[in-house]
Amino acid sequence: EAGVAQSPRYKIIEKRQSVAFWCNPISGHATLYWYQQILGQGPKLLIQFQNNGVVDDSQLPKDRFSAERLKGVDSTLKIQPAKLEDSAVYLCASSNHRESSRNTEAFFGQGTRLTVV
Amino acid sequence: AQRVTQPEKLLSVFKGAPVELKCNYSYSGSPELFWYVQYSRQRLQLLLRHISRESIKGFTADLNKGETSFHLKKPFAQEEDSAMYYCALIPWGYNKLIFGAGTRLAVHP
Repeated sequence: EAGVAQSPRYKIIEKRQSVAFWCNPISGHATLYWYQQILGQGPKLLIQFQNNGVVDDSQLPKDRFSAERLKGVDSTLKIQPAKLEDSAVYLCASSNHRESSRNTEAFFGQGTRLTVV
Repeated sequence: AQRVTQPEKLLSVFKGAPVELKCNYSYSGSPELFWYVQYSRQRLQLLLRHISRESIKGFTADLNKGETSFHLKKPFAQEEDSAMYYCALIPWGYNKLIFGAGTRLAVHP
């Protein structure tokens, strides 16, 4: 099956600029996640969607980050304006989560490496 | 608060040696625990989950609730095991992964 697709793979921007990342999950997967992975750390959840609704955005810096999943399929994550500390790899993942199970595997994209200078 | 701790950033062994990657968690409820792996230039992928009680690529992991640990073990390391390994948990009532910082396993010939 086709995997989770993300674009772009790399992005370099200056601080205070805006940037957007795109994710296309595996077909049929209702749950979509955006994770931020800073160098030397594990991935940290930014936002979780179930279909087109937000399930968890408790760790999303809402003053500068926004995300949407119109039509419950692909998703975009935006940063405006970017700060130096936003430099990280942004990972998108999807799963075929069912309410009765916590063991659904999450499938990850290749990630977008963002460098803010 | 839920937390996953992987105390070693790097574990370096020779081919054929036993491997144990440590993982401790902090969670008051009943967690679901996983090991994810990222090989060089590949995406993060599931290695194994504790509920399956399976051995994948020779790796096993046992949940020890008393010690709140979920260490990953393999009796004889292979060079192709070299990768980043992340321990993760899903808290009860959620379906989000909480990751540790990861351990890089380097297996030398």
